[in-house]
Amino acid sequence: NAGVTQTPKFRILKIGQSMTLQCTQDMNHNYMYWYRQDPGMGLKLIYYSVGAGITDKGEVPNGYNVSRSTTEDFPLRLELAAPSQTSVYFCASTARGPLREQYFGPGTRLTVT
Amino acid sequence: AQKVTQAQTEISVVEKEDVTLDCVYETRDTTYYLFWYKQPPSGELVFLIRRNSFDEQNEISGRYSWNFQKSTSSFNFTITASQVVDSAVYFCALSEDLMDSNYQLIWGAGTKLIIKP
Repeated sequence: NAGVTQTPKFRILKIGQSMTLQCTQDMNHNYMYWYRQDPGMGLKLIYYSVGAGITDKGEVPNGYNVSRSTTEDFPLRLELAAPSQTSVYFCASTARGPLREQYFGPGTRLTVT
Repeated sequence: AQKVTQAQTEISVVEKEDVTLDCVYETRDTTYYLFWYKQPPSGELVFLIRRNSFDEQNEISGRYSWNFQKSTSSFNFTITASQVVDSAVYFCALSEDLMDSNYQLIWGAGTKLIIKP
């Protein structure tokens, strides 16, 4: 049981490049989330999904896209990277039910120069 | 509106001191859940505790304890006899039970705790 895995761990992008951050969970969780954490700051929700085929915007969705074709995978796509997207990106998941705590991946540290 | 406030941006204490991290929340719901997470310098987010709104019992786990008071909308976290390994950023979070909440967590800004040897 690996929990939530994210790849890559680190990435440097040039301005205007695109990339996909991968997130996979093996806990059969319905709910998945993408957050960004800027240096010294808290977590901001980018996108979330309540199940395969269903996604919705969070607080800061501009410049990102997501898809959820399976329960396990929730990739985050950055199009036309900008320096403002330099951040640490966390993927999280949780199950439907009373427990509700979110399980986090190890994060992807992205630098856009 | 729902909100989580961690007014202490940074706290610095000497090892073995007790320290309390404050968390105040606002919610429109009568059923809700409160959480504490730890983010050590290595960067991962570690779940510490969950409390639901119907359970106001205080919780103790080793050197950690949590004080949930609905009357003051607070869910404070105390570390007794702090250790250098407790140095981290601690986040408080709220999850409402409303149908449109989608199990989202509303996060506080975090408190950076520095334990000096």
